[in-house]
Amino acid sequence: DAGVTQSPTHLIKTRGQQVTLRCSPKSGHDTVSWYQQALGQGPQFIFQYYEEEERQRGNFPDRFSGHQFPNYSSELNVNALWLGDSALYLCASSLGVSGANVLTFGAGSRLTVL
Amino acid sequence: QKEVEQNSGPLSVPEGAIASLNCTYSDRGSQSFFWYRQYSGKSPELIMSIYSNGDKEDGRFTAQLNKASQYVSLLIRDSQPSDSATYLCAVNRGGGNKLTFGTGTQLKVEL
Repeated sequence: DAGVTQSPTHLIKTRGQQVTLRCSPKSGHDTVSWYQQALGQGPQFIFQYYEEEERQRGNFPDRFSGHQFPNYSSELNVNALWLGDSALYLCASSLGVSGANVLTFGAGSRLTVL
Repeated sequence: QKEVEQNSGPLSVPEGAIASLNCTYSDRGSQSFFWYRQYSGKSPELIMSIYSNGDKEDGRFTAQLNKASQYVSLLIRDSQPSDSATYLCAVNRGGGNKLTFGTGTQLKVEL
């Protein structure tokens, strides 16, 4: 049973560039959430997608956008990168949007902005 | 005041001892509570979930929730070196999957 898969695992960008990160949820899951984890911090919620729509959003600027496809996979896009965007980006999947749902996390995409 | 607060540690315990990890949260509307373990450079892995006041046991792990005191804890019995990791407390207010995490407590289990 495939878990949550993310790509790429590592990437380096320069300030001002744009990046796209990809996530395939665990088999049977239909909801995808994205989190940003800076070094030494806990993950911070970016947004959640369900039924191809953004359902919840954390305190992140509009430079952060996303998409969910009919097969439940998702993309996170970040425009106009700046140094502070350097972090581990985690995708988490679940079945449905109940607050009691357990999230399964992927291994993450580590973004370095120079 | 942070929404979810944890002592960053490190918390050092000898092998075989009980490790006690604590977490407080500020939102009284929080309904679901989770403990995740995160090894260095890896993704968070669910250890325990708890939804009602009291204790919940799973193997060597016990989660305790006190909503009146806005406090949740994790006890690890018979601590092993493989338990050395950062433990993240997370809460959910309900109505979606948004988790609010603490900064994590680093646990070191020493031989």
